[in-house]
Amino acid sequence: DAKTTQPTSMDCAEGRAANLPCNHSTISGNEYVYWYRQIHSQGPQYIIHGLKNNETNEMASLIITEDRKSSTLILPHATLRDTAVYYCIVSAQGGKLIFGQGTELSVKP
Amino acid sequence: DTEVTQTPKHLVMGMTNKKSLKCEQHMGHRAMYWYKQKAKKPPELMFVYSYEKLSINESVPSRFSPECPNSSLLNLHLHALQPEDSALYLCASSQEILDGQRRSPLHFGNGTRLTVT
Repeated sequence: DAKTTQPTSMDCAEGRAANLPCNHSTISGNEYVYWYRQIHSQGPQYIIHGLKNNETNEMASLIITEDRKSSTLILPHATLRDTAVYYCIVSAQGGKLIFGQGTELSVKP
Repeated sequence: DTEVTQTPKHLVMGMTNKKSLKCEQHMGHRAMYWYKQKAKKPPELMFVYSYEKLSINESVPSRFSPECPNSSLLNLHLHALQPEDSALYLCASSQEILDGQRRSPLHFGNGTRLTVT
C-alpha cells in the first residue's frame, strides 16, 4: 500500500492561501489521492480527491505533479475555521483508506 | 451535521459489560467501515463491509464483533473490552467499491467516544 509523508504542522495567516504538501512516491497508476480534514472532536471531513489531473471544488484545489509522486492541497483564503488536522491518503486495494499522521494546520489572525 | 449518524455519542462501560455501537446512513451507500482513533493519532481501519458482507478485517481482536444487518445499518458489538480499547470509534460509508479500488469518498460520522473502566 502506498504511504504518504506530510509535515507535522504548519501555520497560515488568516485570509492567505494555505498550501499543504504531501509526498506519495510509491503511488501506483490507478491509486487515487484523497484529502480529508479533522476538526477537534469531529469525524474526518472529505475535502477533495484526484487521480492525475488537478481538481478544484468549493473547498479547495488539488495539484498533483505530473509524475504523481506528490500533491498539494490549496485552501485559497484560509479562515480560523480551517484550523484542523489535514490528512493526505492514497487509496489501497480492496477499499482500504489508510490514514497517515497528517498535518496540523493552525490558521492565525 | 453529518449524513452518517452514530449512537451513542459517549459510552462508558466496564470490562465485563456487553454493549453495541450503532451507525446509520441513508445515502444508498453499499460500503461501510469501522475505524478506531486514539487521542492525537490518525484513525485506524478495523473493518470494511461491501454489500453487507465483511470484506476486510484488519486483524481486530474478537472482543470486537461487527454486524451489517442491512445496507443502511452497521453495528459494532463490544464484549470483555480492556481499558486500552478506550478510543473514538468512527463509522463511515461510501458508494460501492469498484474493481477493488474505491473511487468515491468516505463520509464519516462524528464517532462514539468509548471509555472502558
